[in-house]
Amino acid sequence: DAGVIQSPRHEVTEMGQEVTLRCKPISGHDYLFWYRQTMMRGLELLIYFNNNVPIDDSGMPEDRFSAKMPNASFSTLKIQPSEPRDSAVYFCASSLAGGLPVKQYFGPGTRLTVT
Amino acid sequence: QKEVEQNSGPLSVPEGAIASLNCTYSDRGSQSFFWYRQYSGKSPELIMSIYSNGDKEDGRFTAQLNKASQYVSLLIRDSQPSDSATYLCAVVMNRDDKIIFGKGTRLHILP
Repeated sequence: DAGVIQSPRHEVTEMGQEVTLRCKPISGHDYLFWYRQTMMRGLELLIYFNNNVPIDDSGMPEDRFSAKMPNASFSTLKIQPSEPRDSAVYFCASSLAGGLPVKQYFGPGTRLTVT
Repeated sequence: QKEVEQNSGPLSVPEGAIASLNCTYSDRGSQSFFWYRQYSGKSPELIMSIYSNGDKEDGRFTAQLNKASQYVSLLIRDSQPSDSATYLCAVVMNRDDKIIFGKGTRLHILP
């Protein structure tokens, strides 16, 4: 299996622009997670899906952030409009049934820089 | 008190020695605890999970949990240069089942 795939790997954009991050989970995994990692705040869970349905989005920082999972093999995280403080590494992870305590497989991450 | 606290390091340990990484958490009712390893520029990788008080061993790694003291640790025996990484402690909070990560401890194994 190719593992969790994320694109792009790097994104540089200007403040105010829309940013879309993409994730393809491991085939057969029921759960998909979006995380953000910064030096200041560490690794934070933003939202997670079970069978394509958002279960908990309380970690989404504000209305500028939205996430979708239209099917079992694809998810997006969108930031509109982007701000410099959104600069971070965004990870997508997936896992088999069982929820948060089950082993999660992380993608390589997308490094976002907002200038 | 922060929800999950770790010393940021760096922690320098000679090759072959035991590396000891510590983590404290605030939610006394928490039941699930994890250690992730993250190499520089890479994604986190789960290496240990522990749910009961006491020790859990897996190869050179031992996780230790003391719920009364709200303390979880990771021991790495016979440390190797390849163990040099940041180690993240993660706790599932009892109050809302959310997983909270510590900011990690940077470990450097000296050849």
